[in-house]
Amino acid sequence: GNSVTQMEGPVTLSEEAFLTINCTYTATGYPSLFWYVQYPGEGLQLLLKATKADDKGSNKGFEATYRKETTSFHLEKGSVQVSDSAVYFCALSASGGSYIPTFGRGTSLIVHP
Amino acid sequence: DTAVSQTPKYLVTQMGNDKSIKCEQNLGHDTMYWYKQDSKKFLKIMFSYNNKELIINETVPNRFSPKSPDKAHLNLHINSLELGDSAVYFCASSQAGLPTDTQYFGPGTRLTVL
Repeated sequence: GNSVTQMEGPVTLSEEAFLTINCTYTATGYPSLFWYVQYPGEGLQLLLKATKADDKGSNKGFEATYRKETTSFHLEKGSVQVSDSAVYFCALSASGGSYIPTFGRGTSLIVHP
Repeated sequence: DTAVSQTPKYLVTQMGNDKSIKCEQNLGHDTMYWYKQDSKKFLKIMFSYNNKELIINETVPNRFSPKSPDKAHLNLHINSLELGDSAVYFCASSQAGLPTDTQYFGPGTRLTVL
């Protein structure tokens, strides 16, 4: 079956530090890949996505590149802010099956001033 | 102008009771979902409906019964509540349920079973 593996958190950084959150996946078919963000007390919201190999998703300074050869979709940001503190979820949805969305376990990011 | 709304936001109840959570989306989407998020933030899909038809039914106790009266609404009824049902339940919707579709989540319903 499909699965998503994310690095465990929490990830603790100082403001303006570089961020990487690793995500790897296994999937049948050709998955679309997503990063969602969950701020405290809220539902998840889309951060970025990529629907085919070598696509780069980007939004609000965050980027992730769909790497089929390494089955990865790592999230990066060059300079984090306190307001980026949240839980980040890597997710996939694969064709060739029932399109069941699969989420990673989430990585908590804490950014200190 | 909330896109996906859920009621109630908080639900505290005793073991053995029956409760319902309601969800509505005003995005004109065809597909709706229910997810359960446990205390460690793990998110697991429970059900999905496309145009009122059940298309995903993961391994969920049959005490949980979804109902979609129309494509804008997906409700979740839970019978005989157990302590392990305590979690945050999220409703979501997407355009057509395709793999490339973004999911839009509601604010969640925090269920506490005492």
